[in-house]
Amino acid sequence: DVKVTQSSRYLVKRTGEKVFLECVQDMDHENMFWYRQDPGLGLRLIYFSYDVKMKEKGDIPEGYSVSREKKERFSLILESASTNQTSMYLCASAAWRATNEKLFFGSGTQLSVL
Amino acid sequence: EDKVVQSPLSLVVHEGDTVTLNCSYEVTNFRSLLWYKQEKKAPTFLFMLTSSGIEKKSGRLSSILDKKELFSILNITATQTGDSAIYLCALPGAGSYQLTFGKGTKLSVIP
Repeated sequence: DVKVTQSSRYLVKRTGEKVFLECVQDMDHENMFWYRQDPGLGLRLIYFSYDVKMKEKGDIPEGYSVSREKKERFSLILESASTNQTSMYLCASAAWRATNEKLFFGSGTQLSVL
Repeated sequence: EDKVVQSPLSLVVHEGDTVTLNCSYEVTNFRSLLWYKQEKKAPTFLFMLTSSGIEKKSGRLSSILDKKELFSILNITATQTGDSAIYLCALPGAGSYQLTFGKGTKLSVIP
């Protein structure tokens, strides 16, 4: 089974801190994604990457950046955390062939910014 | 812009009831529709539908797609408390690598 591992389950940070959320997948997937999930808003795509060192903005990239130095690892960076970035962050990976667009998700990181 | 609308947004039923969850969509270039179940943590994959009228089934869960009317339904029969979760519908965007998700249906099954 595909395993997508997020480094922290819960994280509490202060406004203005730099925050790193790490995600590692073990299935050699080309594509990796970062979503945030908020009540009433569903899952919204922040950034995705379809190859090492490649990144694309999703629907809500403002206030975030990403890094993909190795195929198995995709990091989400909050340069200066703000209270409106308090959310559940979900990482996902996919092989993304035309016949199989299934995402595999990590367990999520609940981030609270105080 | 691609759109995925799920209804109802929340639902409370008693154990043993049958429920139907809806997902309607507007996408430029349909390829597939996916259903996920999310309990307290990661969404887990349920079904991928690509063809109209062909039911996918897994135990008490089943799903069907209508590409003419642009919707899918997810049925759960004889619900159990373990079915309590958020059910998410998602579609790939045209020419892109990303999925567009609906807001989800929160199902609560009470004993």
